[in-house]
Amino acid sequence: DVVVTQSPLSLPVTLGQPASISCRSGQSLAHSDGNTYLSWFQQRPGQSPRRLIYRVSDRDSGVPDRFSGSGSGTEFTLRISRVEAEDVGFYYCMQGTHWPWTFGQGTKVEIK
Amino acid sequence: EVQLVESGGGLVQPGGSLRLSCVASGFTLRNHWMHWVRQAPGKGLVWVSRINEDSRKTHYAESVKGRFTISRDNAKNTLYLQMNSLRGEDTGIYYCGRDHGGYNSIDQWGQGILVTVSS
Repeated sequence: DVVVTQSPLSLPVTLGQPASISCRSGQSLAHSDGNTYLSWFQQRPGQSPRRLIYRVSDRDSGVPDRFSGSGSGTEFTLRISRVEAEDVGFYYCMQGTHWPWTFGQGTKVEIK
Repeated sequence: EVQLVESGGGLVQPGGSLRLSCVASGFTLRNHWMHWVRQAPGKGLVWVSRINEDSRKTHYAESVKGRFTISRDNAKNTLYLQMNSLRGEDTGIYYCGRDHGGYNSIDQWGQGILVTVSS
């Protein structure tokens, strides 16, 4: 299985400041069809996951534009331009290029 | 509005069985692959199983292969997960998820259902 590693695992942030989460895969996530299948999910306390980003940088409908995704190959990043209180929770990346799909360990975002 | 609602969880002894259900609404179930993903207490997300639109293709994580069976009834808009020979490490919240066709991702998630395997 492809190992997906996130860092940091804990991210204390100041309201209004930017935040960044890294996701690295053990193999390139470039698919033979030309796409790269890397998604980001947010899980607020006590809630189910919600997808924010798919195919590296495509933002889901209704997701604030302060969330953005980037990267290629084996290194990817989720950025929050200005953290708000509602952004507290866990963030997971997931690779969908290689079977079985695998998730990162999760990054806990909390307010300082 | 798309909704996925899981049921059937609970407390079961090691070696026992449970069948989870996931009722879909707000979209046409038969047009989508569907998934089960689980989350052990305080841990991260782990993909468990998936099934294609007409049930001809199913896939499982190695940890559940031979013990879990995924199925669906498109006429009832329902996805299932039959779990046999349950172990303590199967404890967790089980989520059903809708496949985002062509984008190798899960775009909609249920609220989850808790399964506890303990004597």
